[in-house]
Amino acid sequence: GAVVSQHPSRVICKSGTSVKIECRSLDFQATTMFWYRQFPKQSLMLMATSNEGSKATYEQGVEKDKFLINHASLTLSTLTVTSAHPEDSSFYICSARDSGTGDNEQFFGPGTRLTVL
Amino acid sequence: AQSVTQLGSHVSVSEGALVLLRCNYSSSVPPYLFWYVQYPNQGLQLLLKYTTGATLVKGINGFEAEFKKSETSFHLTKPSAHMSDAAEYFCAVSGANQAGTALIFGKGTTLSVSS
Repeated sequence: GAVVSQHPSRVICKSGTSVKIECRSLDFQATTMFWYRQFPKQSLMLMATSNEGSKATYEQGVEKDKFLINHASLTLSTLTVTSAHPEDSSFYICSARDSGTGDNEQFFGPGTRLTVL
Repeated sequence: AQSVTQLGSHVSVSEGALVLLRCNYSSSVPPYLFWYVQYPNQGLQLLLKYTTGATLVKGINGFEAEFKKSETSFHLTKPSAHMSDAAEYFCAVSGANQAGTALIFGKGTTLSVSS
């Protein structure tokens, strides 16, 4: 099956710093990628839809200036958490849809555990 | 618009027993339905999916699910549970004519398997 990677898998940072998370589709092209946030023992909350070459679409309540998303190529989307605070600590997961298929199956990355001290 | 309801946030079974995880959906258009499994601190892995065709769908690790339009259900089953099946399971839906949109997830069901 298609593979999506995320880097880093785990990051610890100080409050006020910025953190960049990369999401890559390794063996397929993805015009659309999605960023989710997952709190412990909870479901995935969609943060934004990332479209290659255009601005991301953010879900209601997600601050676009705090969570910067860039989708500069068909295989890479990045999420930057700017001026991170402890409440931003969470598990961030990306997914990518194979542009060559029509069934909307999405392939998920392994996730990034962000801890803000 | 779509939504998913997973009945039972926690299901416990004995090893070798039948596994049944319930999922009901709501969709204003024909749905695509998915079941994903998540192990601790990992991403989601697709177990199976229904798009069109046969309503009984077989997936990996011995799981299967049946799409029942009249009941708006897509329950996940496995005849005999294994210890390695203990994980978090998510049901998800999207519209058949909405390729490229995000999946809508249920709240998840934690499956525990005891020996």
